[in-house]
Amino acid sequence: GAVVSQHPSRVICKSGTSVKIECRSLDFQATTMFWYRQFPKQSLMLMATSNEGSKATYEQGVEKDKFLINHASLTLSTLTVTSAHPEDSSFYICSARSRRRGTEAFFGQGTRLTVV
Amino acid sequence: GESVGLHLPTLSVQEGDNSIINCAYSNSASDYFIWYKQESGKGPQFIIDIRSNMDKRQGQRVTVLLNKTVKHLSLQIAATQPGDSAVYFCAENISDSGYALNFGKGTSLLVTP
Repeated sequence: GAVVSQHPSRVICKSGTSVKIECRSLDFQATTMFWYRQFPKQSLMLMATSNEGSKATYEQGVEKDKFLINHASLTLSTLTVTSAHPEDSSFYICSARSRRRGTEAFFGQGTRLTVV
Repeated sequence: GESVGLHLPTLSVQEGDNSIINCAYSNSASDYFIWYKQESGKGPQFIIDIRSNMDKRQGQRVTVLLNKTVKHLSLQIAATQPGDSAVYFCAENISDSGYALNFGKGTSLLVTP
């Protein structure tokens, strides 16, 4: 299967600072990338969908100015949590799809963000 | 047994027994369904998928059943092993729509020796 690499796997930051999470498709071109957030013992909740070269589409209730998504190339998308607060602490997961690889979505290993 | 509460439903099975994990989906337009396994601190891992033109698909030790009439999906794991302990999510999608997967609530599977 295709490989999606997410970095960092864990990050601790101080309240008020910004954190950038990278999501890379290593062996395929990801025409669409998705960002999910997962709180403990809960399911994955979609935050936003991004297509290469265009603005991300955010789900209702997700602040686009707080969660900045950039999908500048076919192999890289970044999620920046700006002015992080403790309530932003969560597990963030990206996934990527490629038209050439059909419907299947490939997931990164996730990033555990802790805001102190 | 199975319990449902504020946390993830938990299914406890003995090693060697078969496990059945159920999922109800909401969108009647969905035509692609996937089961994922998620271990603690990791991203979802693909297990098996099925398209809406099928009602059963088998993999290695796993079988997915799809009942479109009642919008129900199940995952059967044969001869459950301790390594199968994880949280299992079903996900639905409208294929080729570009839409993201919609994940179900998840079930925690605990395999006891």
